Formats: sequence, C-alpha cells, structure tokens
Amino acid sequence: DGGITQSPKYLFRKEGQNVTLSCEQNLNHDAMYWYRQDPGQGLRLIYYSQIVNDFQKGDIAEGYSVSREKKESFPLTVTSAQKNPTAFYLCASSIRGLGVEQYFGPGTRLTVT
Amino acid sequence: KNQVEQSPQSLIILEGKNCTLQCNYTVSPFSNLRWYKQDTGRGPVSLTIMTFSENTKSNGRYTATLDADTKQSSLHITASQLSDSASYICVVSAENNNDMRFGAGTRLTVKP
Repeated sequence: DGGITQSPKYLFRKEGQNVTLSCEQNLNHDAMYWYRQDPGQGLRLIYYSQIVNDFQKGDIAEGYSVSREKKESFPLTVTSAQKNPTAFYLCASSIRGLGVEQYFGPGTRLTVT
Repeated sequence: KNQVEQSPQSLIILEGKNCTLQCNYTVSPFSNLRWYKQDTGRGPVSLTIMTFSENTKSNGRYTATLDADTKQSSLHITASQLSDSASYICVVSAENNNDMRFGAGTRLTVKP
C-alpha cells in the first residue's frame, strides 16, 4: 500500500454520530485525496489537498469535512449531515501535478446503522 | 461531461485462459489513461499508464492498448492466474486540470 496507512480497517457507528477516518503517508507527497467507493460505481472524489493548510471540495463534499495541518496527515470527518455514509473510503497521495499517479491506502469500511 | 465506461461489469474465466477488458471514455482534452488493479478490500494499485502517443504498453502478463481516436482502451491479461482475481479500474485524466475520472471497474474472477 505504498507508505499510506488508513485506520481503522473497519468502523461501525450509530446514525447521528460524527466519525473521523485517519490517513497518514510517509511518501513526502504534497497532494492527498479522499475518495468514496460504492458497489457498481467508480471512485468519487470527496476532498483533495494540494498543499498543507489548503484543501478543495471534490464532487461529493457535502456532509464531509477535512483538515490538512501536517503534510503527512489528511483526516476525513464524516458528519451526521451525510445522508448515506456507509461506504468504503480510500485515501490517496501523489506528487503535485496534473494526471500524476496516485498511491492508495488500504481503505476504511464504514458502516453506519 | 467527462465519463469513463468499462465492460464487462464482471467476468469469470478459467486459470490459464486469456481475457480482455474494455474502457471507453469521453474525457477531454485527454492527458493519460491508467489501469489499476484493486484486490478485494484493498486500495487500487497502478498497472500501466498510457499517454496520447502510446498505442501499447506491457507490464508482465498485462498489456494495455490505447486508441485515442476512438477513445478506447483495453487491458489484456495473458495466461491468467488465480491471483489475477480482482477489480480492474480504468482512470482517465484531463489535460487542462486535475480532473481524474474513474470507471466503475470490471470484476475478474479466475477459477481453477
């Protein structure tokens, strides 16, 4: 998984609770990304960050929040406002640039009941 | 709208057989196309990358082709192994921004 760690592997939460997913990388990459993967669909971009202390909304940012206080870390918070939070969440990192290869973490499967 | 379509959705083959996965895209202007392999419950791992001028690229038993005129790519797997069982995802990047579009993937199962 190329120096990117996500924890935990599985996460269970009750509806109405916020939950934070961890993503850490030791590849010295400037850019980091969060994706959501649902069955039968391609990965969808939630948020991305090209540099520390800066991040941008992706295609499906509603109900999610992020922070980028350190180069190595890009935590994702799934808030109670996210209507359908149960999914497989993937974090990735890359060097800065257009169309560069992204290195993915092992993912976190979040189940909200 | 930039989109990536993959076919078939799923495929079952016997060990040792060959197979070909398809990817059609409408991403424009085209920058590059990657094929990723994703094992169940894991993150995707890059197999190949192809730019506009490349027609064919191989990585071991994996061979990717690209036809930029028809906006189609294929991934051919030769002499399949049980470990090839995974989802194969086509990802196309646009040239003028950081837009990357992911296909839904083809789920390949290799049976003994």
